[in-house]
Amino acid sequence: QVQLIQSASELKKPGASVKISCKSSGYTFTDYSIGWVRQAPGQGLEWVGWINTNTGIPTFAQDFRGRFVLSLDTSVTTTFLQISSLMAEDTAMYFCGRGDFLDYWGQGTLVAVSS
Amino acid sequence: SSELTQDPTVSVALGQTVTITCQVDTVRSDYPGWFQQKPGQAPVLVIYGKNNRRPSGIPGRFSGSRSANTLSLTIFGAQAEDEADYYCYSRDRYGNQVVFGGGTKLTVL
Repeated sequence: QVQLIQSASELKKPGASVKISCKSSGYTFTDYSIGWVRQAPGQGLEWVGWINTNTGIPTFAQDFRGRFVLSLDTSVTTTFLQISSLMAEDTAMYFCGRGDFLDYWGQGTLVAVSS
Repeated sequence: SSELTQDPTVSVALGQTVTITCQVDTVRSDYPGWFQQKPGQAPVLVIYGKNNRRPSGIPGRFSGSRSANTLSLTIFGAQAEDEADYYCYSRDRYGNQVVFGGGTKLTVL
């Protein structure tokens, strides 16, 4: 069955970096892009961007250009979201989802930024 | 940029029909969709695509439609377990950027 399994929660200090992962299984990894979505506490869904799993080329929403990096390792069917220069406002749950329609989701990774 | 506008809250009596709407600006919506999210859980896709398809496992009481610049999610005979936040979603006119609506909290009375 299709599964997206995300890495564990992270607690970081402001200014630090974090790299979270999303491992796909149960389907051909390169048949679908992987999208990332942010949800701040008590807030709605925000699209971060997605990565083409064939080319490795990412696309970001306007608000997420600069400090956010998407990458992948096809050999282990895993995509990564790295955030640098973390700020308190980056505290959120980060979800990965499969394909154009985000038809399967990971369980989410909580990134908490606090001094 | 594109905007998707939803009513923040909607309520429905148990067993009745409710429609949640999403106003779309001049965005091209070849990839519209609706997600259901319950507290503490990841979103679940309930309706997707131009033809408003339901993924396997989604009950038939969920239905999607579009008229002009409005996407609609209708739940026929709402059940207690349908109480959740619902988000519409679409791609922008260039087909690259994804946009979510602000979400609608559905209460089943």
